[in-house]
Amino acid sequence: GNSVTQMEGPVTLSEEAFLTINCTYTATGYPSLFWYVQYPGEGLQLLLKATKADDKGSNKGFEATYRKETTSFHLEKGSVQVSDSAVYFCALSDPGRSNDYKLSFGAGTTVTVRA
Amino acid sequence: DTEVTQTPKHLVMGMTNKKSLKCEQHMGHRAMYWYKQKAKKPPELMFVYSYEKLSINESVPSRFSPECPNSSLLNLHLHALQPEDSALYLCASSQSRDRGFNSPLHFGNGTRLTVT
Repeated sequence: GNSVTQMEGPVTLSEEAFLTINCTYTATGYPSLFWYVQYPGEGLQLLLKATKADDKGSNKGFEATYRKETTSFHLEKGSVQVSDSAVYFCALSDPGRSNDYKLSFGAGTTVTVRA
Repeated sequence: DTEVTQTPKHLVMGMTNKKSLKCEQHMGHRAMYWYKQKAKKPPELMFVYSYEKLSINESVPSRFSPECPNSSLLNLHLHALQPEDSALYLCASSQSRDRGFNSPLHFGNGTRLTVT
């Protein structure tokens, strides 16, 4: 079945540090990949997505590249801010399961950025 | 601001109460979802509606009863809940699968439910 594995953390960084959160996946077919972010007290927000191999998703300074050869979708940001403190979820949607709306989530990574 | 609106934001209920959670979206999405999220965990899928019909029920106990009155509204009726049902309940919507598989889910901010 489909699965997503991401580093669980927690991750604590200083402002302006480089952030990377590893995400690897297992899926049938060619999945779409997503990063969602959840700020304290809120629901999940789509951060970025990629729908095919070598696609790069980017938003708010975050980037992730869909690597089919390594089945990975690592999230990176070159210079984090305190406002980036949140829980980050990697997720996949598998079009091979054409009638299946299920989104497979990773365990989530808690990121805390200190001033 | 989120485009999926959930009410109430917080709910405290006893084990004998009946209450309902409400969700509304006006993005024209034809798939709507209920998720349950425990603290520090990923969301767990409960139900999916596609074109106002129940598409997926993830073996959820019958004390949770979903309803989709129209394409913009989704309800979750609660009855005789247990303390372990306390969680954040998230509603989401997306394009339907026949519109393509790349549509991301749009989440509301959730209802924080406490069962006493």
